[in-house]
Amino acid sequence: ETVMTQSPATLSVSPGESANLSCRASQSVSSSLAWYQQKPRQAPRLLIYGASTRATGVPARFSGSGSGTEFTLTISGLRSEDFAVYHCLQYTQWPSFGPGTKVDLK
Amino acid sequence: EVQVVESGGGWVQPGRSLRLSCAVSGFTFEDYAMYWVRQAPGKGLEWVSGINWNGGSRAYADSVKGRFLISRDNAKNSLSLQMDSLRPEDTAFYFCARGRGYSYGYIDYWGQGTLVTVSS
Repeated sequence: ETVMTQSPATLSVSPGESANLSCRASQSVSSSLAWYQQKPRQAPRLLIYGASTRATGVPARFSGSGSGTEFTLTISGLRSEDFAVYHCLQYTQWPSFGPGTKVDLK
Repeated sequence: EVQVVESGGGWVQPGRSLRLSCAVSGFTFEDYAMYWVRQAPGKGLEWVSGINWNGGSRAYADSVKGRFLISRDNAKNSLSLQMDSLRPEDTAFYFCARGRGYSYGYIDYWGQGTLVTVSS
């Protein structure tokens, strides 16, 4: 079983700033890594798959990088609608999620 | 348009059973793996169970293994989760989700979730 971790648990950011969210896997998942955004009382929304490919309709300010065991989601020029919880998911085998990073207003 | 709709949630006493259903439309159901994912109130996402395109491969999180059973009916475009011996820690929103691919794959579509409450 691949265990996913995320850091930090909470990231306080001002609008317009950039945010770097980290996700680590306990063993290599190659590029089988996705990122999701979740707002209160909503289902998660796919942002990134294949570690770096933006899903349809996702703004260019969201970018993903990494491979193997270390991954980063970067949000450039944060907007008010970006304050949410972000989850990573590995899918090189049956899926497993990280615990999430909450991005809130500084 | 892809649609994923869960049903069957509700309140149940510990030790009892509940069956969740998921109806899908807008895509060729048998071309995709399907998953159940849950989220306890205020907590993170937990993958619960998955099934490949033809039901020949199924998997469960350790927390539910031996108590939950996932199944699918490709003729009826439906997914189910039979939950037995329910525990208070099973209380959560349960999401039905489409996996991108015949077996493992990232989740690209989610339902809105159905709430299961296990309490005496």
